[in-house]
Amino acid sequence: GENVEQHPSTLSVQEGDSAVIKCTYSDSASNYFPWYKQELGKRPQLIIDIRSNVGEKKDQRIAVTLNKTAKHFSLHITETQPEDSAVYFCAASQSAGGSYIPTFGRGTSLIVHP
Amino acid sequence: GAVVSQHPSWVICKSGTSVKIECRSLDFQATTMFWYRQFPKQSLMLMATSNEGSKATYEQGVEKDKFLINHASLTLSTLTVTSAHPEDSSFYICSASGQNTNYGYTFGSGTRLTVV
Repeated sequence: GENVEQHPSTLSVQEGDSAVIKCTYSDSASNYFPWYKQELGKRPQLIIDIRSNVGEKKDQRIAVTLNKTAKHFSLHITETQPEDSAVYFCAASQSAGGSYIPTFGRGTSLIVHP
Repeated sequence: GAVVSQHPSWVICKSGTSVKIECRSLDFQATTMFWYRQFPKQSLMLMATSNEGSKATYEQGVEKDKFLINHASLTLSTLTVTSAHPEDSSFYICSASGQNTNYGYTFGSGTRLTVV
């Protein structure tokens, strides 16, 4: 089965700095990689996703890169703000939905200090 | 689009009683529902996967007789925690996906269960 490793487990940055979270996966059949942001006691919210036919995707201050050869993908947050503080999860799946089971990373607790 | 509603958001029950949690997809047909359990500061632990009209597939170590899952329609799945005990206290969260892969996986708002 798929195995997703996520690092770091905790990331502390100053407001305005960039934050990078990295994930690796094991199943070469995976081709959908979503990132979720979860605030305390709330549901994970999809913030960005990428499919295997794309190497990079950007949405304002958030970007995701994918290296299929190396089987790793990363989340980049620029100009961090205190409201970016949350737990971020990466995931890998063979498809963007349907009955394919996504495998989640263990999460990264991002703390942005004002 | 792709909204999933989960109720209740929190519940307190006595040991030995049963609790039902509902998960509804509001604007799409959820052919598959996933049920997760999440402990504080930990990742999402998949409990079971259910496809509409079929029996749920439980992950190893999850008691199917204790965590009853029903997915009778394309918009509703329920998780019933039977004979709840304090160790069942946790955050339970559902996720839904449809055949339209533009939606990906959408999470419900979660249910905080406390068994006293």
